Amino acid sequence: QSALTQPASVSGSPGQSITISCTGTSSDVGGYNYVSWYQQHPGKAPKLMIYEVGNRPSGVSNRFSGSKSGNTASLTISGLQAEDEADYYCTSYTSSSTLVFGTGTKVTVL
Amino acid sequence: EVQLLESGGGLVQRGGSLRLSCAASGFTFSSYAMSWFRQAPGKGLEWVSTTTGSGRSTYYADSVKDRFTISRDNSKNTLYLQVNSLRVEDTAVYYCAKSPYSSDWYRAIDIWGQGTKVTVSS
Repeated sequence: QSALTQPASVSGSPGQSITISCTGTSSDVGGYNYVSWYQQHPGKAPKLMIYEVGNRPSGVSNRFSGSKSGNTASLTISGLQAEDEADYYCTSYTSSSTLVFGTGTKVTVL
Repeated sequence: EVQLLESGGGLVQRGGSLRLSCAASGFTFSSYAMSWFRQAPGKGLEWVSTTTGSGRSTYYADSVKDRFTISRDNSKNTLYLQVNSLRVEDTAVYYCAKSPYSSDWYRAIDIWGQGTKVTVSS
């Protein structure tokens, strides 16, 4: 199972909106609405930000939103803040009953 | 407070074995699927294995199948990962994590431990 494709880096100024893409195939992202997004600060454990494409867990800011079109899922961060600077990973359930991660995206707040 | 505390990591030679443990607290352990993930130094996250709440079903990544075994003791609120035939490329921080579901574990992973480091030397 190949990793899902994410841009290596995305940057934006405070207050701006950015979008991170996550591209897979019809056997993972395109085939199931089980895409999640995780935020990871350096040296820390991952944190769930979005699950099942567009659902936000309790306690996660509504500045984070998720969507999907075909084989590509997206995470949008609006009103970018300094604390959003981190690595972001998407993940999807696959037709092989496994979980595949994206390659990861480093978000930089300028 | 929900907590996951991993232990058992360390330095081991290629071909060796380790048993990782994850002590859970703050929730009804047997009601939720549990998973292991790993992250090699400077690399991305990788799913390793999952067991359902009852422990009856297990799932593995191809990269660890036939070498790693996931298990759980619901009476001790503890998750395990037996890692055998270790390779240099198994060097990583291993995270224990919880799903908010018993069987549909793939829908979300909501709680993560802080990880235990495994280093495999050649």
